[in-house]
Amino acid sequence: QQPVQSPQAVILREGEDAVINCSSSKALYSVHWYRQKHGEAPVFLMILLKGGEQKGHEKISASFNEKKQQSSLYLTASQLSYSGTYFCGTGGGNTPLVFGKGTRLSVIA
Amino acid sequence: DGGITQSPKYLFRKEGQNVTLSCEQNLNHDAMYWYRQDPGQGLRLIYYSQIVNDFQKGDIAEGYSVSREKKESFPLTVTSAQKNPTAFYLCASTLAGGRNIQYFGAGTRLSVL
Repeated sequence: QQPVQSPQAVILREGEDAVINCSSSKALYSVHWYRQKHGEAPVFLMILLKGGEQKGHEKISASFNEKKQQSSLYLTASQLSYSGTYFCGTGGGNTPLVFGKGTRLSVIA
Repeated sequence: DGGITQSPKYLFRKEGQNVTLSCEQNLNHDAMYWYRQDPGQGLRLIYYSQIVNDFQKGDIAEGYSVSREKKESFPLTVTSAQKNPTAFYLCASTLAGGRNIQYFGAGTRLSVL
């Protein structure tokens, strides 16, 4: 079951904050976050495991609410380099990740 | 440097033609994956392989075929049965027993002539 991401798109000015949400109808074992710049490959940002939260990258952090089967990605004091499409991926163990449709983030000067 | 190499970067397919996309990794990863990316659709799994000589269908396997004869290589063939092949194709790999962190290649953009 594909996780649902919201919002679909967001435009920020440099220095503003943003939150991207990822929710699933299935119990989550882990949540991955990736960022993809236009025409490039997705790049791993961080992973959140059941029972813990792990900060992985720059001024970007995330939370994982197991009961609500949700994860949120927090981008603080956004920079132009944060622009791209953010994907969450859910799954774990030996099962392949299932990715959301992505959230397109545009940071403007 | 270790990584995943996809080739070609751009590929054009004629009507009724099979084309093969190459994916090679030197990360010594066990598992490899193929995804298709269409605008607004995210990453959809085509096939994956967790060990050599074994692979499983993903969500959208129809019209595609794969092989895994070597650990480093996982080529994807887009057959003539795939009626809408125009998309961005991404190959990825993960380390078995790890946290399933996906390392992606740079992708192949396939278009129909």
